[in-house]
Amino acid sequence: DTGVSQDPRHKITKRGQNVTFRCDPISEHNRLYWYRQTLGQGPEFLTYFQNEAQLEKSRLLSDRFSAERPKGSFSTLEIQRTEQGDSAMYLCASSLGQGTYNEQFFGPGTRLTVL
Amino acid sequence: EDKVVQSPLSLVVHEGDTVTLNCSYEVTNFRSLLWYKQEKKAPTFLFMLTSSGIEKKSGRLSSILDKKELFSILNITATQTGDSAVYLCAVERGGSTLGRLYFGRGTQLTVWP
Repeated sequence: DTGVSQDPRHKITKRGQNVTFRCDPISEHNRLYWYRQTLGQGPEFLTYFQNEAQLEKSRLLSDRFSAERPKGSFSTLEIQRTEQGDSAMYLCASSLGQGTYNEQFFGPGTRLTVL
Repeated sequence: EDKVVQSPLSLVVHEGDTVTLNCSYEVTNFRSLLWYKQEKKAPTFLFMLTSSGIEKKSGRLSSILDKKELFSILNITATQTGDSAVYLCAVERGGSTLGRLYFGRGTQLTVWP
């Protein structure tokens, strides 16, 4: 499968624990995005990378959230001291990032439940 | 504040019906508008509409963009049960936030056999 992959697909954790998610983009894509989606809402932008550089962070991304893309390939999203309000689907997307217009392709998501 | 508004929020039709989904937007420095289909998993890309491509068609699905009136529609003809999904509209801004997508809440389409 050459699409965007995410791991794990589901994560249940207790409030206060730290969690880390991984995203592997489509191999030739140099842009990688993180979104969060709650029930009945569209995805909300969190952050994105151009290669290894993190170019933008949403105000939704509090100090408890950190994202990395150390070698410009896969990315990790860590949430520290999880809260029940962090329960959501975390989606990763990638795009070529070259040329004029680039559609974003999404991975299957990681569903986080904070008890 | 940038807004993307989709209507209706939900729609129930019978197989064979034609449906029109709406997306209006208020976004500064508009660059492109995208439609995605989301079943119980990640959104899958349908169309991208830009200043140079305001009409797209693929099989039973088609979409147009009206940049003057700031809206887009997605048409599905001869609907099938497999079309049941949430349809998401997203707008991309240019400039410093290039690449960031602003999504609407989606339209939940249910097609009954």
